[in-house]
Amino acid sequence: KAGVTQTPRYLIKTRGQQVTLSCSPISGHRSVSWYQQTPGQGLQFLFEYFSETQRNKGNFPGRFSGRQFSNSRSEMNVSTLELGDSALYLCASSLGPANRGTNEKLFFGSGTQLSVL
Amino acid sequence: GESVGLHLPTLSVQEGDNSIINCAYSNSASDYFIWYKQESGKGPQFIIDIRSNMDKRQGQRVTVLLNKTVKHLSLQIAATQPGDSAVYFCATYSGAGSYQLTFGKGTKLSVIP
Repeated sequence: KAGVTQTPRYLIKTRGQQVTLSCSPISGHRSVSWYQQTPGQGLQFLFEYFSETQRNKGNFPGRFSGRQFSNSRSEMNVSTLELGDSALYLCASSLGPANRGTNEKLFFGSGTQLSVL
Repeated sequence: GESVGLHLPTLSVQEGDNSIINCAYSNSASDYFIWYKQESGKGPQFIIDIRSNMDKRQGQRVTVLLNKTVKHLSLQIAATQPGDSAVYFCATYSGAGSYQLTFGKGTKLSVIP
């Protein structure tokens, strides 16, 4: 069974540009969560999608957005890139909605390493 | 607010020895905990989880202990191998109805051959 697939693996962009990252969850998983990982802040929650609906969003500016398609695949977009957006962006999938009530395990992809110059 | 922390940022152990990685949490209502392993260049990999109605759970060469009284959990790795070298994170869903996993800062485990 294939794991979570993220593309591209690496990206280099310049300030002011926008970027779109893609995530294909494990087959049968309907929830996709996105996390940003930096050396200074660690892993921080961006947002979660279930059945094409954004259920919750972390404390990030509106430049960060995402969506989920009917096949559960997800994309996230960052507009007007800033130097501080350089990070590893991780996508994770779970069978059902991931929250404290369901206690779903998240399975992560290898991430997209974004460098903003 | 909720925080999940680890006692040591780095841990070096001799190959074949047992490793113990610690984690403290602040929210007494937290009832589910996960340990992840992250190798260089990869995403976090699920190792083992434990619910608050248990105080111990064993997997293959790993054991997680949960002490709700002092809000502390630990990950024990038996007979540590070079392939165990990685950063280890504990995580929990923070707050009632929370959708997000809160991760600790991580402990880097280095195995000395």
